[in-house]
Amino acid sequence: DIQMTQSPSSLSASVGDRVTITCRTSQSISSFLNWYQVKPGKAPKLLIYDAARLQSGVPSRFSGAESGTDFSLTISSLQPEDFATYYCQQTDSAPWTFGQGTRVEIK
Amino acid sequence: EVHLLESGGGMAQPGGSLRLSCAASGFPFSSYAMSWVRLAPGKGLEWVAGISGTGHNVYYAESVKGRFTLSRDSSKDMLFLQMNNLRVEDTAMYYCAQDAAENIIPGDWFHPWGQGTQVTVSS
Repeated sequence: DIQMTQSPSSLSASVGDRVTITCRTSQSISSFLNWYQVKPGKAPKLLIYDAARLQSGVPSRFSGAESGTDFSLTISSLQPEDFATYYCQQTDSAPWTFGQGTRVEIK
Repeated sequence: EVHLLESGGGMAQPGGSLRLSCAASGFPFSSYAMSWVRLAPGKGLEWVAGISGTGHNVYYAESVKGRFTLSRDSSKDMLFLQMNNLRVEDTAMYYCAQDAAENIIPGDWFHPWGQGTQVTVSS
């Protein structure tokens, strides 16, 4: 299985901060990398697919990038509704696997 | 608007069974693969199983293979996950999700997701 190393596991930030979460894959996965936002009691939400494509309806402050086996999710200006846990997912090779998650907390 | 609603969760003893359901609406159900993903306490998301739009191709995570059975009824736009021989480590919130295409292929993504149904396995 493809291993996903996501970092940091948690971070504290303030409203308006720029936040970057990274995900490293154990092997090349083309651009088949997705990012999700998970909040307690709510349906998980797709943010980014194919490494850098913004899902319809997702604010443009979210962006994705890739460099080899390193992928990143950036929130350009953190908003109160962005405090959540974020997961990367690879869909290059079955079984699809997720990163361990990054919890974004209010500083 | 696409809507997914899970049901059937609850408490079970180790070795017991539960059957989860996911009612889908707002899209041509048989044209899309569907998956179950779980989120266990203190752990991350784990893909559990997926099924093609026709139902002919079914895939399972190694952790549930031989114990869980995924099926779909396109006449009712319903997805089912039969969970047998449950273990304590199966305790999690279970989400159903729509795959990006009719088949489970590289380049897949999950959108949208349901709000989940809680499964607790404890003696």
